[in-house]
Amino acid sequence: DGGITQSPKYLFRKEGQNVTLSCEQNLNHDAMYWYRQDPGQGLRLIYYSQIVNDFQKGDIAEGYSVSREKKESFPLTVTSAQKNPTAFYLCASSWLAGGYTDTQYFGPGTRLTVL
Amino acid sequence: AQTVTQSQPEMSVQEAETVTLSCTYDTSESDYYLFWYKQPPSRQMILVIRQEAYKQQNATENRFSVNFQKAAKSFSLKISDSQLGDAAMYFCAYHGSSNTGKLIFGQGTTLQVKP
Repeated sequence: DGGITQSPKYLFRKEGQNVTLSCEQNLNHDAMYWYRQDPGQGLRLIYYSQIVNDFQKGDIAEGYSVSREKKESFPLTVTSAQKNPTAFYLCASSWLAGGYTDTQYFGPGTRLTVL
Repeated sequence: AQTVTQSQPEMSVQEAETVTLSCTYDTSESDYYLFWYKQPPSRQMILVIRQEAYKQQNATENRFSVNFQKAAKSFSLKISDSQLGDAAMYFCAYHGSSNTGKLIFGQGTTLQVKP
């Protein structure tokens, strides 16, 4: 089945630790995205990547880092510099068409809790 | 900057009835896309419907349809013959014609379906 997978589903982090959230897609999509969702709010863009080995900051990139070594994978690291990392994290992907991004499809998400 | 506003934090509808969720947006762009996403209790974001701004015809997907008023910058979602499985949070989202791929989300509307 084609789709987007995220792991783990739940993640607990101690203060001062870095953690990495996994996102994999087998849809052959060019672009991938990371969003953060806080309770009762919409999604905010953290980072996005349109091609391998290239990525750009979104609106709330501070305290996060990403890599895009393979087309299928776009892991997100939440560093200890992120002051309030407890949130729900969603990964998405889309095709690029004529240089413009197409409809984004989402993975099931990872719930990160800082202890 | 573009903004998306959903003025109804919560809505309820009787099973088999029709409900309309409101969304307004602000933009200076002439070419863009609008989306409705559904987020059930599982929290995965599911695409419901998409509208391209240059198309005058309102998009429909089975029981879901939109009323797109470009001049008024309004994009409402109508759900006909509501079913219990329609209960979820619904997000309106905007995607501009630039190639950044950033989706701008509204705050969401929680829809309750009463049996």
